[in-house]
Amino acid sequence: DVVMTQSPLSLPVTLGQPASISCRSSQSLVHTDGNTYLSWFQQRPGQSPRRLIYKVSSRDSGVPDRFSGSGSGTDFTLRISRVEAEDVGVYYCMQGTHWPPITFGQGTRLEIK
Amino acid sequence: QVQLVQSGAEMKKPGASVKVSCKSSGYSFIIYGVSWVRQAPGQGLEWMGWINPYNGNTIYAQKFQGRVTLTTDSSTSTAYMELRSLRSDDTAVYYCARGRYSDWLEIDHWGQGTLVTVSS
Repeated sequence: DVVMTQSPLSLPVTLGQPASISCRSSQSLVHTDGNTYLSWFQQRPGQSPRRLIYKVSSRDSGVPDRFSGSGSGTDFTLRISRVEAEDVGVYYCMQGTHWPPITFGQGTRLEIK
Repeated sequence: QVQLVQSGAEMKKPGASVKVSCKSSGYSFIIYGVSWVRQAPGQGLEWMGWINPYNGNTIYAQKFQGRVTLTTDSSTSTAYMELRSLRSDDTAVYYCARGRYSDWLEIDHWGQGTLVTVSS
């Protein structure tokens, strides 16, 4: 199984400041079709996960442009350019290239300082 | 708009079974796969399995093989997850989620979750 490792696991951020979350996979997530099936999800307190980013860097409809994804191979990053209060929650990366099973990172809890 | 609406919270005793439903709307049910993912209290996300509503093919995570059954009813656009021989550590919120698939798998939309509590 592909192991997804996120860091940090806890991320205190001042409002208006940037934030960055790293996700590393135990093997390359480049599929034979040339795509990389790495997604990012946000889970606000008491809510279901919501997808923000798919295929490394494509933003879902309705996701603010302060969220961006980057990376390649085994190393990926989710960036928030200016953190807002509504961004509080847990962020997960997920790979769907090598399945079954699909696997998630442990989650990164973003809080406001 | 795409919606996945799950059945309500369940309380079960150890050894019992639970069946959770997930009714889809706003898209063609048979085109997207349905995954089931669970989240124990205060923990992360754990993928349990996947079903193709077009032909009923299923793939289960090894951990749940033999204890979980995924089914669908295309006439009502509803997916079901049955988990048997419940233990206290099965206490979790269970989510259905749809996504595109091939020899890769994506997840885009999630249900609201169903809390299953297992306690004597």
